[in-house]
Amino acid sequence: EVQLLESGGGLVQPGGSLRLSCAASGFILSNYAMNWVRQAPGKGLEWVSTISGSGGTTYYADSVKGRFTISRDNSKNTVYLQMNSLGAEDTALYYCAKDIRGSLPRWYFDYWGQGTPVTVSS
Amino acid sequence: EIVLTQSPGTLSLSPGERATLSCRASQSVSSSYLAWYQQKPGQAPRLLIYGASSRATGIPDRFSGSGSGTDFTLTISRLEPEDFAVYYCQQYDSSPTFGPGTKVDIK
Repeated sequence: EVQLLESGGGLVQPGGSLRLSCAASGFILSNYAMNWVRQAPGKGLEWVSTISGSGGTTYYADSVKGRFTISRDNSKNTVYLQMNSLGAEDTALYYCAKDIRGSLPRWYFDYWGQGTPVTVSS
Repeated sequence: EIVLTQSPGTLSLSPGERATLSCRASQSVSSSYLAWYQQKPGQAPRLLIYGASSRATGIPDRFSGSGSGTDFTLTISRLEPEDFAVYYCQQYDSSPTFGPGTKVDIK
């Protein structure tokens, strides 16, 4: 059974940093691109970042480019999102999502974790 | 960036009725890169349809997707009680974007 478990969210001050983790199980992580998608309170979904199966290629939304870094450690079955220079606009529930097929992104997200909340406030 | 518009914002229907949800793109989208998700309160989204018309694993056949170019449709043939939720369309062009969602609630 595919499972994704996010952690690392919390309350952080504006300008601060957080590192989110996504622990994957039930599939061979290196065979799949992985993604982060966020949802601000009461709002819709926003794609944040994607990483290829090998970790060699990464993609970012313009809203986070230069501030967030996605990475993965396939030996630990974990995907990460390092978030720096956080602002109020980054407050959201952050979901880890598995790509539907293959180590290169197909841009469909077939399994999702339950999310980890990030609140940016002073 | 391609902008997705979904209509209606809210659809009020009764169980057993047919639901037709629309997703319109600001420019043409490859059918290979159009998906639909369902999200219930307090839950993560669930992939329903990808490639505009292919059902994801385990999705009942009452869910169907169609369309091309800039106009796409999600149809639920007969609403079951568990189908009342918010539905998002999503596309990939240079980057993935989601529509604002359509809420299907009980009339």
